[in-house]
Amino acid sequence: RKEVEQDPGPFNVPEGATVAFNCTYSNSASQSFFWYRQDCRKEPKLLMSVYSSGNEDGRFTAQLNRASQYISLLIRDSKLSDSATYLCVVNVGSGGYNKLIFGAGTRLAVHP
Amino acid sequence: SAVISQKPSRDICQRGTSLTIQCQVDSQVTMMFWYRQQPGQSLTLIATANQGSEATYESGFVIDKFPISRPNLTFSTLTVSNMSPEDSSIYLCSANPSAGATDTQYFGPGTRLTVL
Repeated sequence: RKEVEQDPGPFNVPEGATVAFNCTYSNSASQSFFWYRQDCRKEPKLLMSVYSSGNEDGRFTAQLNRASQYISLLIRDSKLSDSATYLCVVNVGSGGYNKLIFGAGTRLAVHP
Repeated sequence: SAVISQKPSRDICQRGTSLTIQCQVDSQVTMMFWYRQQPGQSLTLIATANQGSEATYESGFVIDKFPISRPNLTFSTLTVSNMSPEDSSIYLCSANPSAGATDTQYFGPGTRLTVL
């Protein structure tokens, strides 16, 4: 089993749609979680950090379920500019040592 | 956050040669990391660059192949040694800020390496 697994995608949605990505992780001791966005041929950029049960930032909502070892990202009112690959990332380090494990990513394509 | 630059942005190299990639951060950071992203895949951690001591390598990566330096709190280098076509990849450095959420990592723009 992979340490971080994501929906394979791609998701093709019209502008204005709501889309949700799912992610599961295997290390139950993980304490922090992130969603990064990666545009084609660019570096990953931090979208959201998730430390407690969830986090909301504008159109983006992340939820964490520790019991099920599950994280989700919800995007409301999709924009063309949301088209990218979304990476679910889990910090499996401890005691000040950080080790990020990246999921394979979910591609989102928003069309007019 | 931190602003991170990398040099070179891309290179095409011959088999058997070595390439050193530089990573510069605009502020002092506690931790720096080197990742590889092979075509069509996600990021894999190569090593953590420790200031003042040897880097900590992940399983599958060794110092002889990927020597790393970190002479101060804003700079690190990764060398890809004795390259083969299998080393063709994007190499990214990242850093944790010294303040705020210290487990958050910010990434440089990457170095796209092609080995012929």
